[in-house]
Amino acid sequence: SQTIHQWPATLVQPVGSPLSLECTVEGTSNPNLYWYRQAAGRGLQLLFYSVGIGQISSEVPQNLSASRPQDRQFILSSKKLLLSDSGFYLCAWTPGATTEAFFGQGTRLTVV
Amino acid sequence: DAKTTQPPSMDCAEGRAANLPCNHSTISGNEYVYWYRQIHSQGPQYIIHGLKNNETNEMASLIITEDRKSSTLILPHATLRDTAVYYCIVRGTGGFKTIFGAGTRLFVKA
Repeated sequence: SQTIHQWPATLVQPVGSPLSLECTVEGTSNPNLYWYRQAAGRGLQLLFYSVGIGQISSEVPQNLSASRPQDRQFILSSKKLLLSDSGFYLCAWTPGATTEAFFGQGTRLTVV
Repeated sequence: DAKTTQPPSMDCAEGRAANLPCNHSTISGNEYVYWYRQIHSQGPQYIIHGLKNNETNEMASLIITEDRKSSTLILPHATLRDTAVYYCIVRGTGGFKTIFGAGTRLFVKA
């Protein structure tokens, strides 16, 4: 069966520090991968999605970037965090031919 | 992908049916209606989806109007553990982007 792993679960980082969040999917190949951010009490904002290795689409201009170095690995990064980058970050994947999305458990990032 | 409109919050008594509405008046012919829920501090969980026929699974039922411009998610016997934010989204089979709005916060009360 397919599983998605996302870590760390919580993270506290100072302003100006770098960020790297990792997401991996097991049990499938060539998944579509997504990064979302959720502010407190709000809906999910799509940040990036990827349909293949090295293929990244950005939905919202921001202080973040994403990379897909391997088929089932998706990384969210920042060179210098801002206070506004705080939030709940979720990784998700979908099979290429269907649209049901499977989510990781999320990373709660607090920038101080 | 089409946008959806949901009430921001609803209450339901434990053991009663919870009926969560969703409007998607701009839905196109190849777009499915999906429902997810998110319990606090967890990732969203898939519930059910449909195209134009009503659907039922072990978690819920989905009723889609004949014109497909709205739908209702039904939790037949709500429990306290069903308290969560419920998201209705529409998405085509060829689309790669899933847009989640603010959803409906369902409070199930004893």
